Amino acid sequence: AQRVTQPEKLLSVFKGAPVELKCNYSYSGSPELFWYVQYSRQRLQLLLRHISRESIKGFTADLNKGETSFHLKKPFAQEEDSAMYYCALSGPRGSGTSYGKLTFGQGTILTVHP
Amino acid sequence: DAGVTQSPTHLIKTRGQHVTLRCSPISGHKSVSWYQQVLGQGPQFIFQYYEKEERGRGNFPDRFSARQFPNYSSELNVNALLLGDSALYLCASINRNTEAFFGQGTRLTVV
Repeated sequence: AQRVTQPEKLLSVFKGAPVELKCNYSYSGSPELFWYVQYSRQRLQLLLRHISRESIKGFTADLNKGETSFHLKKPFAQEEDSAMYYCALSGPRGSGTSYGKLTFGQGTILTVHP
Repeated sequence: DAGVTQSPTHLIKTRGQHVTLRCSPISGHKSVSWYQQVLGQGPQFIFQYYEKEERGRGNFPDRFSARQFPNYSSELNVNALLLGDSALYLCASINRNTEAFFGQGTRLTVV
């Protein structure tokens, strides 16, 4: 069974401090991994996906297959980063019905204080 | 902004009633997915449709059904509503890279 665990429900940091949102997953094989973000009163939106290897809004995420983790990091947090963050996975291309089906973690609320 | 549109935005139903939720995907996207988000939890997958065919179904009872129309819009139907069906229902429009673009959701309250 596929599962995503975000161990921290709440995370508070001060502006300019580094931030790391943890994500661990369980999947038989090599899943596709994503981070989604939901800012206040906005819809859920894709922040980044591991195959893109991009840095979006200063955030990066490294896939660690050995530890089955996909932690989201930013070296210097900004107040506008305050939001709900969800880690999600889906089966890889060719995995049949699990391809494109997202399994989400419970989310982490990040608050960046001034 | 021709994003994903869902209707209605809110509705209140009584236990035992039926509800239909609607979703219009982004132009050019042929796949939609439905998710249920209960307060305090992440979205949970219900259905995925591609080119009017069901491509995946989550762990939901048969009271939940969906369909996709030739214009790629979609409906989610829930019969015999229970109090536990109260949630935010999200529709996602899926592009060719399987990136999901979410609508604002429909907030369903069952009383």
